[in-house]
Amino acid sequence: KAGVTQTPRYLIKTRGQQVTLSCSPISGHRSVSWYQQTPGQGLQFLFEYFSETQRNKGNFPGRFSGRQFSNSRSEMNVSTLELGDSALYLCASSLEVRGIGEAFFGQGTRLTVV
Amino acid sequence: QKEVEQNSGPLSVPEGAIASLNCTYSDRGSQSFFWYRQYSGKSPELIMSIYSNGDKEDGRFTAQLNKASQYVSLLIRDSQPSDSATYLCAVNIQGAQKLVFGQGTRLTINP
Repeated sequence: KAGVTQTPRYLIKTRGQQVTLSCSPISGHRSVSWYQQTPGQGLQFLFEYFSETQRNKGNFPGRFSGRQFSNSRSEMNVSTLELGDSALYLCASSLEVRGIGEAFFGQGTRLTVV
Repeated sequence: QKEVEQNSGPLSVPEGAIASLNCTYSDRGSQSFFWYRQYSGKSPELIMSIYSNGDKEDGRFTAQLNKASQYVSLLIRDSQPSDSATYLCAVNIQGAQKLVFGQGTRLTINP
C-alpha cells in the first residue's frame, strides 16, 4: 500500500512569489491535514480537509490556503512568500471520519524562501 | 500554558536501558493520543496510539495514559542506538479536526 506522497520534495523560491504544494493521501483516506515545521515553532497545524471541505484552520495568515479534490488529493498554496515561510511542510492523511485518528505523514516539502 | 508540553531534552540513555518520555496536555476533552518518532531530516513516523487509560504495549514500546492527571508517557525497553531520534507527542482534542503536537524530546541512546 502506497504511503502519503508529497511533491515536490524541495523548493527554492524568491520573496513575493507564490508556491503550490501537492499531497496524495493513502488510498481510502479522506482526511488530509497540513502542518508547518520549523526549528523554533515545531509542528504547527495549518488546515484539515475532509471530502473537499475544510473542517479546521490553524492560526496562519490568509496567504496560506488549501483545497482538496474529489479524489482526496490536496494542495496548499502560499502567496506573497516571506523569508519566514521557509520551513518543512508536511501533509498527513487519516482514515478517521470523526476527529483525527491515526495520521500518517508524507516525506514533506522543504521550502526555502530567499 | 502550552496545549501539549514535553521536555525538549536532550535525554541521554545507555544502550539496553529503559527510555522514559513524558508528555502533559491541557485540554481535558482530549480523546486520542499519539507518539511519533522523527529522525533528523525525515518526517514524523507514527509509532503508538492510545485512547483509554492504562498501558498499551507494542514490542519494545509501551504507551501509558492517565487522563485524570492529563499525562501520557512512552517507555522504550532495551533501547537501541537506532532509537535515537526526536519523539513527538500529539493530542487530538475532542471536536477539533487537528492534532496538537508538543515540541518533541530529543533522545540519544549511547552505545
